Amino acid sequence: QKEVEQNSGPLSVPEGAIASLNCTYSDRGSQSFFWYRQYSGKSPELIMFIYSNGDKEDGRFTAQLNKASQYVSLLIRDSQPSDSATYLCAVNSDSSYKLIFGSGTRLLVRP
Amino acid sequence: SAVISQKPSRDICQRGTSLTIQCQVDSQVTMMFWYRQQPGQSLTLIATANQGSEATYESGFVIDKFPISRPNLTFSTLTVSNMSPEDSSIYLCSVADGYEQYFGPGTRLTVT
Repeated sequence: QKEVEQNSGPLSVPEGAIASLNCTYSDRGSQSFFWYRQYSGKSPELIMFIYSNGDKEDGRFTAQLNKASQYVSLLIRDSQPSDSATYLCAVNSDSSYKLIFGSGTRLLVRP
Repeated sequence: SAVISQKPSRDICQRGTSLTIQCQVDSQVTMMFWYRQQPGQSLTLIATANQGSEATYESGFVIDKFPISRPNLTFSTLTVSNMSPEDSSIYLCSVADGYEQYFGPGTRLTVT
């Protein structure tokens, strides 16, 4: 069974710090990797996706992918209290666009 | 990205009844999906809504319980049939735009 694992948290960081969120996946054939942010009572919002090994940067966010280690991470620089949310890692393992989600990591940014 | 709307946004239903949830997209999309998010849990894919053909259901979900329609490339419905309290969840539709997948605002269903 294909699995996506995340630490549930909460991960607590002070304002201005770097928050590091991690995700591992079981299917070596996984092709695309996504990070979503979900505020309480809201639907998931796509932050970024990555499909090649290495880093991908978008503003304060950097996604890192290591397919050999089956590991994907999200770094949030200069964390703000408004970044406090649950971050969901999702993996696409075939060409059907179906996503398998991790259980999410709750991030708390302390003012 | 596509703008996705869902109706109703929330509902409280009695056990044994059925509820149909609508998902409308502001542009034509090939891939539409229905997910469920149970309280405190992550998202689980229910099915892929195929335009002009029967939906493709994931393991643990069946057509009799969750019938899906996809009459065109901008609209889909999910029906939750013969509801029980265990069906209390948020139901979300999503659409794929290239690699990216976007979610509607969700329908919060409470079954009493």
